[in-house]
Order: sequence, then C-alpha cells, then structure tokens
Amino acid sequence: EAQVTQNPRYLITVTGKKLTVTCSQNMNHEYMSWYRQDPGLGLRQIYYSMNVEVTDKGDVPEGYKVSRKEKRNFPLILESPSPNQTSLYFCASSLQRRGLPLPLHFGNGTRLTVT
Amino acid sequence: GENVEQHPSTLSVQEGDSAVIKCTYSDSASNYFPWYKQELGKRPQLIIDIRSNVGEKKDQRIAVTLNKTAKHFSLHITETQPEDSAVYFCAASKGGTIQGAQKLVFGQGTRLTINP
Repeated sequence: EAQVTQNPRYLITVTGKKLTVTCSQNMNHEYMSWYRQDPGLGLRQIYYSMNVEVTDKGDVPEGYKVSRKEKRNFPLILESPSPNQTSLYFCASSLQRRGLPLPLHFGNGTRLTVT
Repeated sequence: GENVEQHPSTLSVQEGDSAVIKCTYSDSASNYFPWYKQELGKRPQLIIDIRSNVGEKKDQRIAVTLNKTAKHFSLHITETQPEDSAVYFCAASKGGTIQGAQKLVFGQGTRLTINP
C-alpha cells in the first residue's frame, strides 16, 4: 500500500531533550516536506526536500533540522525542543515535475507536547 | 511570497444545504489550487484540485471554481451530509522549476459542521 509513515504518533517530552520524528514513504517520491498545524494558522511549512541531499527552509524553520540521506526517509530533528514547538506535525510527499504541481500525500501526523 | 486567505474560519449548515468556502491568493503566478479535507484526528487528504487553465471542476457533490483575474477560488459542497463535517484547507502553488520545488501555501482552514 502506498503510504507515508510517521513515527511516533504521540510524543511528550521535556524542554531541551533532543528528539527525532521519522518519516518514510514507499512511493519513490522526490519531494518531501514537513508541516506543523496549529489552530487558526493552518498548515505551515517547516522544511522541504527536492531530492536526496537537497533540503531547504520553509516558512517556520527555526528550531528544526532535517536530513535527506535516502530518498524514502526525511526525519525531523528538534535539537532542543521548547514549549512553543508543541504542535501537530505532518510529513508529506509528492512526485516532483518541473512546471507541474502535484498533489501531496500526508502521513498520519505526530502530536508533540513539550513541557 | 504567496499568501492565501481562507474564509470563513467556521461554517455551520443544515444537512442537505450547500456550503461554500472561499480563498484568495496573492501570487498571480500560482497555477495549482488543491483542497484538502481533514477529519477529526486524521491526516489531510486531497478531495479536489484545479489548475489555472480551467475555471471550474466538479466531482459529484463537490466543485471548485477559480477566478484568476480576481485571484480567488472557492469550494462548493452541495447536498451536504454529516460525513462532510471536517476541517477544509485550500492551498495555492506554482509548479516546480529547475531552481526550486513547488511550494504549497495553505489557507488557515475552515471548520465545517453539518447539523442533522
């Protein structure tokens, strides 16, 4: 089954304790992206990747890191989480075609609470 | 950069009535406008999309209209049913280029409630 898999689904942590949220897709998509969802703000892009070893900042990258060492995986790293990073996080992927926007496939989300 | 405004933030309609959600965008180069539905506790899923070379697209009870001149697009749901209750997000994007990937910018979301 074609899917985007995120882990964990729920995570409660304390301020300053490094964490990683994993994301994997099995559709051979070039493009992968991380979003955070907060009430009244919609989905805001954190980082995206056009392909292996190619990543770039989205609209809200502060406090986050990503890596793309393999095409299928795109982990989100919080080196020193803070309470304002408490949010619902979604990973998404799509094919990448020059000049042709394509639909995003979302993972099931990770609800992160930082105390 | 692109900015997408979505209205209303909440919408309540009687079952069987129609619902309309509107979005405006700022970048006239945007050429792809998808709508995502997010049921409670679930991931956003694409329900319909439209490209800038057409003005309207329908899929059963849902339709999207696009006015490129005014830079706005709308989602129309007819004969609403309880299962239409969800949060709906509009988005706008330009196609990927050699220089950069497509960037999808989302609206703030509309919580639609269908009252039986």
